[in-house]
Amino acid sequence: GAVVSQHPSWVICKSGTSVKIECRSLDFQATTMFWYRQFPKQSLMLMATSNEGSKATYEQGVEKDKFLINHASLTLSTLTVTSAHPEDSSFYICSASSLGPDQPQHFGDGTRLSIL
Amino acid sequence: QKEVEQNSGPLSVPEGAIASLNCTYSDRGSQSFFWYRQYSGKSPELIMFIYSNGDKEDGRFTAQLNKASQYVSLLIRDSQPSDSATYLCAVKGNKLVFGAGTILRVKS
Repeated sequence: GAVVSQHPSWVICKSGTSVKIECRSLDFQATTMFWYRQFPKQSLMLMATSNEGSKATYEQGVEKDKFLINHASLTLSTLTVTSAHPEDSSFYICSASSLGPDQPQHFGDGTRLSIL
Repeated sequence: QKEVEQNSGPLSVPEGAIASLNCTYSDRGSQSFFWYRQYSGKSPELIMFIYSNGDKEDGRFTAQLNKASQYVSLLIRDSQPSDSATYLCAVKGNKLVFGAGTILRVKS
């Protein structure tokens, strides 16, 4: 149980392109979804937290107009990297948890984004 | 002081030995504690969680929690080369905070 599907797993695109990444909870209702970014050999960096039906809460230093997050249902959240540039190249990982303070986060497989 | 601290390693153990991974945290109000395993180039995978003081065992894994000392550990018995990965400690108070991870290398 507790499967989180993330798509696509790998994206290569030109600078200036917008890229959408989907995160789905397949067998549970994800009241909260999280978006992380991880650069090589570095730790996870939380970008934003989203609750179903609400605006996402962004961490300090993360541009909300650059990284658009939508959590329209209890099973789907999307991250759109707008006008992506090479410095946005990274490993983006979503995670999801169900309702309750002790519920763990379950991670998707991640999306490797390369901007040329 | 970082909120969640882990020794970055690498921790090297021979195959079949016990690997001991440690984590300390600063928020005394933390209630939930998690261990994730992350293979290189992959996303984290939940392997253990613990909420109460003491030990919790699951197969070859044992999580240990001491809230008074603000300390949580993960023991891996009969370590295998496939256990080689980065182990992330995560602590939840108001939000989930990850440590930077400890690299474990199990040598055959």
